[in-house]
Amino acid sequence: AQSVTQLGSHVSVSEGALVLLRCNYSSSVPPYLFWYVQYPNQGLQLLLKYTSAATLVKGINGFEAEFKKSETSFHLTKPSAHMSDAAEYFCAVSPNTGGFKTIFGAGTRLFVKA
Amino acid sequence: ETGVTQTPRHLVMGMTNKKSLKCEQHLGHNAMYWYKQSAKKPLELMFVYNFKEQTENNSVPSRFSPECPNSSHLFLHLHTLQPEDSALYLCASSQDSRTSGTDTQYFGPGTRLTVL
Repeated sequence: AQSVTQLGSHVSVSEGALVLLRCNYSSSVPPYLFWYVQYPNQGLQLLLKYTSAATLVKGINGFEAEFKKSETSFHLTKPSAHMSDAAEYFCAVSPNTGGFKTIFGAGTRLFVKA
Repeated sequence: ETGVTQTPRHLVMGMTNKKSLKCEQHLGHNAMYWYKQSAKKPLELMFVYNFKEQTENNSVPSRFSPECPNSSHLFLHLHTLQPEDSALYLCASSQDSRTSGTDTQYFGPGTRLTVL
């Protein structure tokens, strides 16, 4: 069975500071991993995805995430936060064996202080 | 229009009403999804359609009834809902749900539903 845990329902950073959003997964088969972002009053938008190629994945808006199998983690980072990054971020996991089984985490709301 | 659109964006209904949510995708995809997003809970998959055939019903109560007349349109018919059904209902589409391991889902903006 798969699951995904996002540590911290709320994260607050200052503008220009490092953003680190944590995601740990559990999967009995090698997974695909995703980060989605949801801005207020909008649907989810894909930031990046890991599909067993390079372990460091670069996404849109300067975000990147690193797949660490030994730690079963897929944390999302951005070197310098911008006010426009304030949103809710969702980590998701899906098996690479085909079929629809994407599981979403509970989400982490990112606040950016001026 | 481009992407995935949903109407209405907001809906208030009583428990005895019947209403429908509409989703349309302009991406040429073959799979469409309904999700429920409640406060402080993970996104819950409700239904999946692939090439107009329902492939997933995630134990959703029968007061929610999906309809997929073609690969571009998806409806969610609502009747005799409960206040706990109040949530944001998101529609998504992807190329093919059978390959969803790598298949990116594109989401609509959602319908904010309030059941009184």
